[in-house]
Amino acid sequence: QQQVKQSPQSLIVQKGGISIINCAYENTAFDYFPWYQQFPGKGPALLIAIRPDVSEKKEGRFTISFNKSAKQFSLHIMDSQPGDSATYFCAARYGGGADGLTFGKGTHLIIQP
Amino acid sequence: DAGVTQSPTHLIKTRGQHVTLRCSPISGHKSVSWYQQVLGQGPQFIFQYYEKEERGRGNFPDRFSARQFPNYSSELNVNALLLGDSALYLCASSYPGGTRELFFGEGSRLTVL
Repeated sequence: QQQVKQSPQSLIVQKGGISIINCAYENTAFDYFPWYQQFPGKGPALLIAIRPDVSEKKEGRFTISFNKSAKQFSLHIMDSQPGDSATYFCAARYGGGADGLTFGKGTHLIIQP
Repeated sequence: DAGVTQSPTHLIKTRGQHVTLRCSPISGHKSVSWYQQVLGQGPQFIFQYYEKEERGRGNFPDRFSARQFPNYSSELNVNALLLGDSALYLCASSYPGGTRELFFGEGSRLTVL
């Protein structure tokens, strides 16, 4: 059972464009939704995160939009740059003490110059 | 400051063997989590340890075990290796409280032949 579904699997965007990655979750017990960026040969690095009591969070060129009723959230990368080319993962965590994250399958993003 | 460090970075084992992977968290972090990342997939939660006690366990067989030491470092052990255990094993540490953001190491790449 895949609790966090991520799309698209791969994405090509022109430099300066907007990259959009979508995720949907099933379990309403999730209370923390981070996005991670991973470069080849490296571990994932936290990009931005949101809690369900907020509909949008912006940090620089990165924005999370959160729709609690639809159980969906998305990552928008504005003014996409070649250095943004990486694999992006959405994730979710249950409320409570454990830190275990449930990850989506990832989106391979390529920004063409 | 040093990030999360993992060893070894790469290793090759044969089916049926045993492997031990090691992780040192960021200084001041008391929680360590382990994830398995199969090529082309998102990380999957294996274990979380906090103050030397298991706080969470993912859906992995009993061949997988872990422990945390008084200095908060951790070991992941996998017995009776299968070909399907070939993956990148990621360790993450976090500081208790707040968002409990996870900081990942670069992983240990295990190949089982």
